[in-house]
Amino acid sequence: NAGVTQTPKFQVLKTGQSMTLQCAQDMNHEYMSWYRQDPGMGLRLIHYSVGAGITDQGEVPNGYNVSRSTTEDFPLRLLSAAPSQTSVYFCASSPTGTGGSPLHFGNGTRLTVT
Amino acid sequence: KNEVEQSPQNLTAQEGEFITINCSYSVGISALHWLQQHPGGGIVSLFMLSSGKKKHGRLIATINIQEKHSSLHITASHPRDSAVYICAVRRGGATNKLIFGTGTLLAVQP
Repeated sequence: NAGVTQTPKFQVLKTGQSMTLQCAQDMNHEYMSWYRQDPGMGLRLIHYSVGAGITDQGEVPNGYNVSRSTTEDFPLRLLSAAPSQTSVYFCASSPTGTGGSPLHFGNGTRLTVT
Repeated sequence: KNEVEQSPQNLTAQEGEFITINCSYSVGISALHWLQQHPGGGIVSLFMLSSGKKKHGRLIATINIQEKHSSLHITASHPRDSAVYICAVRRGGATNKLIFGTGTLLAVQP
């Protein structure tokens, strides 16, 4: 039981390049989400999904796309990277998106955009 | 004003000390989470609370729903407790979103 697996751990991109951050969970969780963590700020929600085929925007969705074709996978796509997207990205899952669900986080992806 | 405020932002303690980290929030919630993040590391869930008190080893978490306040206590602190401790609340109702505090950086010195 691996929990939540994020890849890659580190990535450097040039402005304008695209890439996909991978997130997979093996706990059959319905709810998955992507956050970014910036110095001096709390984790901010980028996108989330309450089940396969369903996604929605969080508070900072601009510049990011997501899809949820399976329960296990929730990739985050940067279509045209910008320096403002330099951050640490965390994927998280929980059995449901409701209050009583414990949170499981991946180990994070540190992204630098030059 | 942030909807979730933590205090202190930074805390240095000597090994063996009793530590308290506070979290105040201004919205209606369905649950409150305490998380731990070691430097350069991932985020681990410590507690999920909707009322009362929970204990796990040397860690104790309490919540007062009426006062919109939660505390995380660490008894007999140890250098391995050094980490960032993050409070997060899940809003009640249809919104159901998580709101995170900015974290408390704890350093426990031997």
